[in-house]
Amino acid sequence: DIVMTQSPDSLAVSLGERATINCKSSQSVLSSSNNNNYLGWYQQKPGQPPKLLIYWASTRESGVPDRFSGSGSGTDFTLSISSLQAEDVAVYYCQQYYSIPYTFGQGTKLEIK
Amino acid sequence: EVQLLESGGGLVQPGGSLRLSCAASGFTFSNYVMSWVRQAPGKGLEWVSTISGSGSRTYYADSVKGRFTISRDNSKNRLYLQMNSLRAEDTAVYYCAKDRGGGYNYPNDYWGQGALVTVSS
Repeated sequence: DIVMTQSPDSLAVSLGERATINCKSSQSVLSSSNNNNYLGWYQQKPGQPPKLLIYWASTRESGVPDRFSGSGSGTDFTLSISSLQAEDVAVYYCQQYYSIPYTFGQGTKLEIK
Repeated sequence: EVQLLESGGGLVQPGGSLRLSCAASGFTFSNYVMSWVRQAPGKGLEWVSTISGSGSRTYYADSVKGRFTISRDNSKNRLYLQMNSLRAEDTAVYYCAKDRGGGYNYPNDYWGQGALVTVSS
């Protein structure tokens, strides 16, 4: 199984500042056949289901604000929020969908400083 | 508008059974792979099972293999999860989720609100 490890576990950032969350996979999730990274990012607010933010490591889902961006390739990935808004307080998860079992990172709790 | 609505959760004793159902609407159900993902109280997300659009192929996490069965009825636009031999560690909110693409190896772009399953005596 591919193990996904996020860092940090929690993060406090001031409003308007940049937030960065890292995700590392135990093996590459980059496909040599299509050059896609099978990596997604989700946002989960309390009492709500997860919401897909980013897929293929860097493609924003429709309707997701452009302050959210994803980067990385192979085994190392980053979710960045360029200017933190109050509504961004949530837990963020990365997920690999390269191979079954699809696995999630443990989550990163983002709060306002 | 895509909608996924789970039902069938509740309190069950260890060793008991429960069947979850997910009613789907707003998309051509049979064209999409569907999955169940669970979340234990205060914990992270855990993929549980995935089923092909036709229902012919199924996949399970090791933690539920042999105890849970995923199925679908494309004529009714419904996804199911039959859970047998339930254990305390199966206590979780169970989400029904649609895969973003028509085949495998896609993230989940729509999620239901979840069904709480509590396994306790």
